[in-house]
Amino acid sequence: QSALIQPRSVSGSPGQSVTISCTGTSSDVGGSNPVSWYQQHPGSVPKILIYDVNKRPSGVPDRFSGSKSGNTASLTISGLQAEDEADYYCCSFVDDYSWVFGGGTKLTVL
Amino acid sequence: QVQLVQSGAEVKRPGASVKVSCKASGYTFTRYAIHWVRQAPGQRLEWMGYINPDNGDTKYSQKFQDRVTFTRDTSASTAYMELSSVTSEDTAVFYCARRDKATRSAPFDYWGQGTLLTVSS
Repeated sequence: QSALIQPRSVSGSPGQSVTISCTGTSSDVGGSNPVSWYQQHPGSVPKILIYDVNKRPSGVPDRFSGSKSGNTASLTISGLQAEDEADYYCCSFVDDYSWVFGGGTKLTVL
Repeated sequence: QVQLVQSGAEVKRPGASVKVSCKASGYTFTRYAIHWVRQAPGQRLEWMGYINPDNGDTKYSQKFQDRVTFTRDTSASTAYMELSSVTSEDTAVFYCARRDKATRSAPFDYWGQGTLLTVSS
């Protein structure tokens, strides 16, 4: 199973919005399969941000939102803050009952 | 509170095996699958597979299925990951993470602190 495709890096200034894409196939992202997003600060454990494409666990600010269209899922972060600087990973359930992560995107807050 | 506590860092020679533990607390161990994720230095997260602690059923990623074994001890609420024939490519942090196996859309909501494996001759 190949990794889902994410941009290596994105950047934005404080207060702006950025969107991170995650492209897969009809067997993972493109199917009716749940997609989740994780945030990982350097040296830290991944943290769940979005699950089931667009749901936020309690405690996650509503600045983080998710969507999906066809084989591509997206994570949008609005009102960028310095603490949002981190690596972001998408993850999809796959038809064969496995899971696959994306290649990861490094977000830089300018 | 929910916690997954993993065993400490390991140093292994190439070709050796390593066994990492993941002790769960704060919830009913058998209700959540335990997944394992590898992250090499500066690299992405890689899903390795999971074990259902209730019945011991496992699912392995094709990449690791020939070398990895997941087990569990329900009396100790602990899951184990054993990786054999390690190489320098296995130098990485290994995470365990739980997932509600009853809900298809459930994410990996709690993670262990990670176990660093260093493979060096």
